[in-house]
Amino acid sequence: KAGVTQTPRYLIKTRGQQVTLSCSPISGHRSVSWYQQTPGQGLQFLFEYFSETQRNKGNFPGRFSGRQFSNSRSEMNVSTLELGDSALYLCASRPQGGDGELFFGEGSRLTVL
Amino acid sequence: AQSVTQLDSQVPVFEEAPVELRCNYSSSVSVYLFWYVQYPNQGLQLLLKYLSGSTLVKGINGFEAEFNKSQTSFHLRKPSVHISDTAEYFCAARVNSGGSNYKLTFGKGTLLTVNP
Repeated sequence: KAGVTQTPRYLIKTRGQQVTLSCSPISGHRSVSWYQQTPGQGLQFLFEYFSETQRNKGNFPGRFSGRQFSNSRSEMNVSTLELGDSALYLCASRPQGGDGELFFGEGSRLTVL
Repeated sequence: AQSVTQLDSQVPVFEEAPVELRCNYSSSVSVYLFWYVQYPNQGLQLLLKYLSGSTLVKGINGFEAEFNKSQTSFHLRKPSVHISDTAEYFCAARVNSGGSNYKLTFGKGTLLTVNP
């Protein structure tokens, strides 16, 4: 069974631009979560989607948004990029029910210049 | 609010030596606890998890962890490490809220470096 797939793996943007990251969960998983990983702040929860609905949201500004499609694929968008948005963005999926174990993708590394 | 503290940011050890990576959590409610490993340029992989029952949990790659409620700790151990265990290790907690909240709170990570 294929794992969580994130695209693109690496990207470079400049301040003020916007970016869209994509995540395809493991087949059959309907929940997708996003985390931001930086050296200073570590891993921080962005949001979780289940069946196209946002279930939980972390403490990030409104420039960070996401959505989920009917096939469970998810995208997250960051508008008006700032230097501090440079990070590894990790997507994770989980099966319905269960103990909440998350299965992570390899991440999208965003560099903002 | 819950928080997870990993007491050591870096742990260097020699190959075949035992290792313990420390994790403490704080929460006003019961939690589920996890250890994840991250190899360079990769995502996170689950090592083991504590949900309930036996406080000694065994995971993959020879790792184990012990849940200690009185000390609010969940330390990760391995009796003999290999070079290939060099990676960053993250402790994480999730509130046991009956299935409505799957947000993980992570510690800042411990970089384990195994030297020959």
